[in-house]
Amino acid sequence: DTGVSQDPRHKITKRGQNVTFRCDPISEHNRLYWYRQTLGQGPEFLTYFQNEAQLEKSRLLSDRFSAERPKGSFSTLEIQRTEQGDSAMYLCASSPPEGLGQPQHFGDGTRLSIL
Amino acid sequence: AQTVTQSQPEMSVQEAETVTLSCTYDTSESDYYLFWYKQPPSRQMILVIRQEAYKQQNATENRFSVNFQKAAKSFSLKISDSQLGDAAMYFCAYRSGNTDKLIFGTGTRLQVFP
Repeated sequence: DTGVSQDPRHKITKRGQNVTFRCDPISEHNRLYWYRQTLGQGPEFLTYFQNEAQLEKSRLLSDRFSAERPKGSFSTLEIQRTEQGDSAMYLCASSPPEGLGQPQHFGDGTRLSIL
Repeated sequence: AQTVTQSQPEMSVQEAETVTLSCTYDTSESDYYLFWYKQPPSRQMILVIRQEAYKQQNATENRFSVNFQKAAKSFSLKISDSQLGDAAMYFCAYRSGNTDKLIFGTGTRLQVFP
C-alpha cells in the first residue's frame, strides 16, 4: 500500500522566487489536505479538497498561495514571490470518503527554506 | 474558534514505564473527533489513536489508551510499557463534526530512556 507521496522533500530558493510542491494521495482517497508546520509548532491547516473541489481555505493562505487538484488525484501547492516567513514544512494528507471521522494520513512533507 | 492546548513541551519516561501526555481543548460543539498523532524525528506523522466525542468509552490501541473527559474537555494519552521507539513529538488534534480540517496543539516531545 503506497502512502501519501510529496515531492520534493527539500526546496531551497531565494526570496521572491516562485515554488511549486506536489502531493500524491493514497489511491481512492478523495480528500486531500495541505498543512504548514513551523519549527516547534503543530501543523496549521491551509486548505482541503474533496475530489477536485477546493472546499475550505484558511486565512493563512494569502493571495500568494494557490492550490489545485485538477483531476481529483494529485495536488499542487504554489507559492509566488516567496518571503522569509514562508520557510516551513509543508505537509500533505489524505483521507478516504467514508466519513468525517476518518483519520488523515500524512506524507513526509516538503521542507522549504528561503534564503 | 476551537483551540487545542498541550501544556507539556517535553516529557520523559524510562523504558517499560508508563507516561501520560496531557491535552485540553476548547469548543462549543457537541459533535467532534479527537486524535493523537506521533511524529518521529524527520519522519512522517502517523495516527496513534482517535476518539469520537459521542462515545463514552475511552479508546485503546494496544499500549496506547486515552482518558477522555468530555465535561472537562480533556483528552490525555497514556503510553504503557514505554519503548525506545515511542520517542517522538506527540500532537493532540481536534476535528469538528462538520468540517474536515484538523486543529493541532503545539506538541509534546517525549524522550524514552533505557
